[in-house]
Amino acid sequence: AQKITQTQPGMFVQEKEAVTLDCTYDTSDQSYGLFWYKQPSSGEMIFLIYQGSYDEQNATEGRYSLNFQKARKSANLVISASQLGDSAMYFCAMREDILTGGGNKLTFGTGTQLKVEL
Amino acid sequence: EAQVTQNPRYLITVTGKKLTVTCSQNMNHEYMSWYRQDPGLGLRQIYYSMNVEVTDKGDVPEGYKVSRKEKRNFPLILESPSPNQTSLYFCASRRIVQGSEAFFGQGTRLTVV
Repeated sequence: AQKITQTQPGMFVQEKEAVTLDCTYDTSDQSYGLFWYKQPSSGEMIFLIYQGSYDEQNATEGRYSLNFQKARKSANLVISASQLGDSAMYFCAMREDILTGGGNKLTFGTGTQLKVEL
Repeated sequence: EAQVTQNPRYLITVTGKKLTVTCSQNMNHEYMSWYRQDPGLGLRQIYYSMNVEVTDKGDVPEGYKVSRKEKRNFPLILESPSPNQTSLYFCASRRIVQGSEAFFGQGTRLTVV
């Protein structure tokens, strides 16, 4: 069964600093995808970044990058130059059978609450 | 604007009173699903649908029903709500292609008293 672990319930970072949010996963599938979502206090879920298990390069989207270490089964999110608006809950998620576009559910971690301070 | 729309956003109801949370997407996505979010548990899938008239159970389907009569709509039905169904509910949709991300609705905060 697939499982996502986020061991940091809460994190603090100073504005303009970089921060890494940890995510480890467990799956027996060879083909899977890893996603990060942001949930601000208003409650909506915002897609940030995606990494496929067969992608050789680490994914990047603006200030977000995904540090994918397949052998260690980790998919950490790195936010560079933190801004006050980055304060939110961040969820790591995984979906198996990614290549066909099928698969099924996203399995989510329990989230990390990030607070950016002045 | 491409979006997933849920209604209502907030709902307080009493135990046993049937309710429906609507979900509609305008992106022609084949796949739709419902999740519930509870503190310390992340999001868990309730039901999903791969296409019209095709639905299946997720991890926590007890006490819920769904239907997919049209591609764009995927309502969540609670026939007899109970207090343990108090939660934040999300509808999501995506294309069935490699690496597609899920688009989420704004969420529905349900309280059952």
